[in-house]
Amino acid sequence: DAGITQSPRHKVTETGTPVTLRCHQTENHRYMYWYRQDPGHGLRLIHYSYGVKDTDKGEVSDGYSVSRSKTEDFLLTLESATSSQTSVYFCAIRETGTGSSYEQYFGPGTRLTVT
Amino acid sequence: DAKTTQPPSMDCAEGRAANLPCNHSTISGNEYVYWYRQIHSQGPQYIIHGLKNNETNEMASLIITEDRKSSTLILPHATLRDTAVYYCIVSATGRRALTFGSGTRLQVQP
Repeated sequence: DAGITQSPRHKVTETGTPVTLRCHQTENHRYMYWYRQDPGHGLRLIHYSYGVKDTDKGEVSDGYSVSRSKTEDFLLTLESATSSQTSVYFCAIRETGTGSSYEQYFGPGTRLTVT
Repeated sequence: DAKTTQPPSMDCAEGRAANLPCNHSTISGNEYVYWYRQIHSQGPQYIIHGLKNNETNEMASLIITEDRKSSTLILPHATLRDTAVYYCIVSATGRRALTFGSGTRLQVQP
């Protein structure tokens, strides 16, 4: 258990409203990630963070912003939600493994529906 | 990261070994092979990884061919709870995220 929680776990919102999803970790991992998962697409990276206030874009970052003001929290914001952002969102942390390998551990996910 | 190829689905009888193959013929020397699985609606779960040697942990064994162009994940005694989508991922170290393909849907039959 990598001590990752996500909130909320489920949310329904209307098109055009702002939404913020929170990922919280308890073990001081430096790297954190936000993915989305849609049928037929697998998991796709939205944004990631490699330290406090250090973030970078992933392959599907349009329409999303992130913030990381402290190590334990990584926030994903949809400034103006659209129906295409209906998805399951997973947060992950990276743990350093043996040698130069590393493993990612995932949170339970947030199911977001935009109506 | 190198591309991987996995069968879309497999069946296995409960109690038998499940052998899940993965082809990664373009793997580079510094790339690891990772296996994850995703049980319905849950977040992906790390299983095992390796570079060139075979690896075993409490969940599974990973067999990597000598030329590193393919690997097999072995679940020695599959249970119904092992029914999931299994992802084989090849990645070098670094800050980048993992690239998940379509995976293999393993159905363990009673």
